[in-house]
Amino acid sequence: QKEVEQDPGPLSVPEGAIVSLNCTYSNSAFQYFMWYRQYSRKGPELLMYTYSSGNKEDGRFTAQVDKSSKYISLFIRDSQPSDSATYLCAMSASNTDKLIFGTGTRLQVFP
Amino acid sequence: GAGVSQTPSNKVTEKGKYVELRCDPISGHTALYWYRQSLGQGPEFLIYFQGTGAADDSGLPNDRFFAVRPEGSVSTLKIQRTERGDSAVYLCASSLSRDDEAFFGQGTRLTVV
Repeated sequence: QKEVEQDPGPLSVPEGAIVSLNCTYSNSAFQYFMWYRQYSRKGPELLMYTYSSGNKEDGRFTAQVDKSSKYISLFIRDSQPSDSATYLCAMSASNTDKLIFGTGTRLQVFP
Repeated sequence: GAGVSQTPSNKVTEKGKYVELRCDPISGHTALYWYRQSLGQGPEFLIYFQGTGAADDSGLPNDRFFAVRPEGSVSTLKIQRTERGDSAVYLCASSLSRDDEAFFGQGTRLTVV
């Protein structure tokens, strides 16, 4: 079993939809949780960063962490075609530890 | 420019050959990371440098892989006796310090034929 599980998709939604992306994990030591966006043939870029449990909102993006269920989510409101990319979750046990990534979920938002 | 720069963008090599992949981090960033991303997978950690020294090389898959950062800036990932299974995108990232946000380069796509 992988430490971090993520549905690879693809997920295809119409413009304006609310998108929900999720990861589960097995290592209870993970404390730092991140979401990266990766466009085709580009490196990942950090979208959201959360420490421990709770919610964090930034514009159209909301990250949620439920440590009791070992489950994290990223919600995208009012999705746009420019949101079409692969979304990677990543986590670590400390802010100086290596990141463990999920496989990524490919999202396509069609006009 | 100011982003993380990786060269070459693409590299095709024959099985058994030696390759070098270069990473130019953001100026002033002391932490540098190498990751490998296989098709349909997330990045996998290879090695982390703090300054000139490899602080964590636990992700290097075997002794065919080696990385250096002799002056604490540019880093080179070296792969000896390449195998087809080494085909992947090799990503480099840098950060101001270990607990700061890491910025990724666009990667080097390595294909071993």
